[in-house]
Amino acid sequence: DTEVTQTPKHLVMGMTNKKSLKCEQHMGHRAMYWYKQKAKKPPELMFVYSYEKLSINESVPSRFSPECPNSSLLNLHLHALQPEDSALYLCASSLDRGGTQYFGPGTRLLVL
Amino acid sequence: ELKVEQNPLFLSMQEGKNYTIYCNYSTTSDRLYWYRQDPGKSLESLFVLLSNGAVKQEGRLMASLDTKARLSTLHITAAVHDLSATYFCAVGFGNEKLTFGTGTRLTIIP
Repeated sequence: DTEVTQTPKHLVMGMTNKKSLKCEQHMGHRAMYWYKQKAKKPPELMFVYSYEKLSINESVPSRFSPECPNSSLLNLHLHALQPEDSALYLCASSLDRGGTQYFGPGTRLLVL
Repeated sequence: ELKVEQNPLFLSMQEGKNYTIYCNYSTTSDRLYWYRQDPGKSLESLFVLLSNGAVKQEGRLMASLDTKARLSTLHITAAVHDLSATYFCAVGFGNEKLTFGTGTRLTIIP
C-alpha cells in the first residue's frame, strides 16, 4: 500500500457542529502532517506528528484539535469553525522527519 | 523567517516550447522539493534535491539546485498539454517543516 487516504472527500458543516477528518497510511511512515490550503494558495502547515507525538503546532486556533491514535492514523477534530476555515485540508506522511512528504487527496471543507 | 518565492506566478506556453520556473529561498536549507498539483487535486511529489549541484530528470521535467545562490529551477522541455498544472517548490527547514513557494500556474496551449 503506497498511498495516503483521507475521509471524507467533502464536508459541509455549520459553525456549531463537531466533525472529524481522518487520514490513514500503511507505508510505515512515522511522521504525519496536516496542512490547510486555500484556493490558489500554497499549502500551510498546521500540525506535525512524529512517532505519534505532536512535535509542531503552527499556532493553530484551538477549534482545530489533532489526534494521532496510532502510527497509521491521524485525525483532525473540528469544533465551532468559522466560514474562513473553509479550505482543502491535506494530510501527508513521510518515512521520518525531514523525508519526502506524500500527500493524501484532501478533504474539501465548507463551513456555513 | 524562511521565505520562498517562485516566478513566474503564471505561465502560458505553447506546446513544443521550452521554459523554466524559478524558486528562490531566503535562508540555508538542506533539501528542496518540487510538487505538482492538478486543479482540485492533491500534491504529487516530483523531485527531491539534497545537495548543491543536484540535478534530477523525469520525462520532460528537469530540476536543479544551487544552494549557494539559494535557487532551484524546474525546466520544461518540449511542453505537452498534460503538463498543465500548478507547480510548487518547497524548502525543508529543520527536521520536519516544509515551506512552500507561491506556486506557478502553468497552462500549455495546443
